[in-house]
Amino acid sequence: EDQVTQSPEALRLQEGESSSLNCSYTVSGLRGLFWYRQDPGKGPEFLFTLYSAGEEKEKERLKATLTKKESFLHITAPKPEDSATYLCAVQAGSTGTALIFGKGTTLSVSS
Amino acid sequence: GAVVSQHPSWVICKSGTSVKIECRSLDFQATTMFWYRQFPKQSLMLMATSNEGSKATYEQGVEKDKFLINHASLTLSTLTVTSAHPEDSSFYICSARDSGLETQYFGPGTRLLVL
Repeated sequence: EDQVTQSPEALRLQEGESSSLNCSYTVSGLRGLFWYRQDPGKGPEFLFTLYSAGEEKEKERLKATLTKKESFLHITAPKPEDSATYLCAVQAGSTGTALIFGKGTTLSVSS
Repeated sequence: GAVVSQHPSWVICKSGTSVKIECRSLDFQATTMFWYRQFPKQSLMLMATSNEGSKATYEQGVEKDKFLINHASLTLSTLTVTSAHPEDSSFYICSARDSGLETQYFGPGTRLLVL
């Protein structure tokens, strides 16, 4: 069964304290792995798409990496405005165009 | 680029009435659109996938006669919640997939409250 697991469920950081969020997956035929950011009461905001192991993408303080079993979202020197829920989703050969979402990691950054 | 809008952003209705939610891709053509439902502090639950010009594909457990989906053009999909009940109260989010790409872009969501 295709599955996506995110850890930790919640993460509290001090401003400037770098850390990583994990997304592990077991799917048949990965077609893409996606990271989204969701603020309370809003729809998910697209961050990154990764297609193959070894691929990395960066945007401001965020960097996403992908291996054959998991993806990491590295947050460097976070600021309070980075506080949000970060969602990982995969598209697999078995699911067509649909995404399988993890439950998310809620990040809180305090100043 | 890749902007998706939803309307309305929130709606309150009486039990037994129907509510229509619109989802539009503003700057790209979307051959496929998706409808999700999200409960408080939970992740997104896919309800259905709609392809332009054809019938929607519903996920297991989602009543197709209750949640009517129409995808009449490459930029518009609608979700109609028929005979709404309080248990239909939720946050409904649509997404659109840019033709030729894998990425889904999400709308801002519609909060539905059924009294």
